[in-house]
Amino acid sequence: DAGVIQSPRHEVTEMGQEVTLRCKPISGHDYLFWYRQTMMRGLELLIYFNNNVPIDDSGMPEDRFSAKMPNASFSTLKIQPSEPRDSAVYFCASMAGSQEKLFFGSGTQLSVL
Amino acid sequence: EDQVTQSPEALRLQEGESSSLNCSYTVSGLRGLFWYRQDPGKGPEFLFTLYSAGEEKEKERLKATLTKKESFLHITAPKPEDSATYLCALREGSQGNLIFGKGTKLSVKP
Repeated sequence: DAGVIQSPRHEVTEMGQEVTLRCKPISGHDYLFWYRQTMMRGLELLIYFNNNVPIDDSGMPEDRFSAKMPNASFSTLKIQPSEPRDSAVYFCASMAGSQEKLFFGSGTQLSVL
Repeated sequence: EDQVTQSPEALRLQEGESSSLNCSYTVSGLRGLFWYRQDPGKGPEFLFTLYSAGEEKEKERLKATLTKKESFLHITAPKPEDSATYLCALREGSQGNLIFGKGTKLSVKP
């Protein structure tokens, strides 16, 4: 298996622009997580899905952030409009509920200028 | 209020110099304590899961232990390739997600 695949690896954009991050989980995994990592706050959960249904989105900073999982093999995290304080590394992770351990992608390094 | 606190923030060791990393937690319904390794520019990689006080897990030069309030990651005779950030995380109650500490950055010099 190729593991969790995220795209793009790097994204540089200007304040106010829309940003879309993409994630393909490991086949057969029924949980998908979006985390954000910064030096100050470490890894923070944004939202997670179980069987494509959002379970907990309490970590989504504000209405500018939205996440979707239209099917078991694809999820997006969208920021509109983007702000400089959104600059961070965004990780997607997936998990098989029976195994209880998360597998992470390589992350998307987002820079908002 | 942090639920997971890791110490020290950074640790520099000479090759072969054994040491321990600490992870203390304050949740009541612990459903798993996890250790991950993160290399620069990569996502965290799973190392161990511990479920109950007294449990121990080993992998090569690493051994993880768990008490009711903290977990330790012991590194025996480390090598430069053990240099990474080590993250502790926990799963509480019925939640599916993991709550992460801020990590310990380990540097092992030859």
